[in-house]
Amino acid sequence: EIVLTQSPGTLSLSPGERATLSCRASQTISSTYLAWYQQKPGQAPRLLIYGTSSRATGIPDRFSGSGSGTDFTLTISRLEPEDFAIYYCQHYSGSPKTFGQGTKVEIK
Amino acid sequence: DVQLMESGGGLVQPGGSLRLSCAASGFTFSSHAMSWARQAAGKGLEWVSATSGSGGRTYYADSLKGRFTISRDNSKSTLYLQMDSLRAEDTAIYYCVRQTDSGGYSGCFDYWGQGTLVTVSS
Repeated sequence: EIVLTQSPGTLSLSPGERATLSCRASQTISSTYLAWYQQKPGQAPRLLIYGTSSRATGIPDRFSGSGSGTDFTLTISRLEPEDFAIYYCQHYSGSPKTFGQGTKVEIK
Repeated sequence: DVQLMESGGGLVQPGGSLRLSCAASGFTFSSHAMSWARQAAGKGLEWVSATSGSGGRTYYADSLKGRFTISRDNSKSTLYLQMDSLRAEDTAIYYCVRQTDSGGYSGCFDYWGQGTLVTVSS
């Protein structure tokens, strides 16, 4: 089973700053099957990025994804007030479809 | 618009059973694999189970050890999760999720329902 480890656990930043979130896999995975989700309090998660770097429908271009092998990154170029949330990475090929434990992006 | 509406959650005693339903609309249901995911209070996301568009293939998290059964009725555009031998650790919000693929093996989760709360307690 592939384990995804996200870091940091919490990121404290101000609006307008750049956020860099990390997701490390326990073994090499195909970049085709790495996704990122955003979850705000009391809401269901929302797909942001799939295939490591493709933005889902309606996702603003300040969100970008990159990486390969075991190391993947979600970057938010300039934080907007609505971006403060929890972010999860996911490996979605095969079974189980594992999630990372999440990174909380909070207002500093 | 794609809509996924879960129902069937509630309070159940340990060892009991519950069946969740998810009514889908706004897309061709049989063309998409579907999954259930769950989230305990204050915890992260956990994938539970997936089924192919036809319902012919199913996948489960190892931790469930045969207690849960996923199924679908494409004529009703409805997804189900039969949960048996429930334990306190199954307490969570259960989300119905649409996958981007039809086979169930390699799709990401592009639409999520709002979830239904399952509480296992005596």
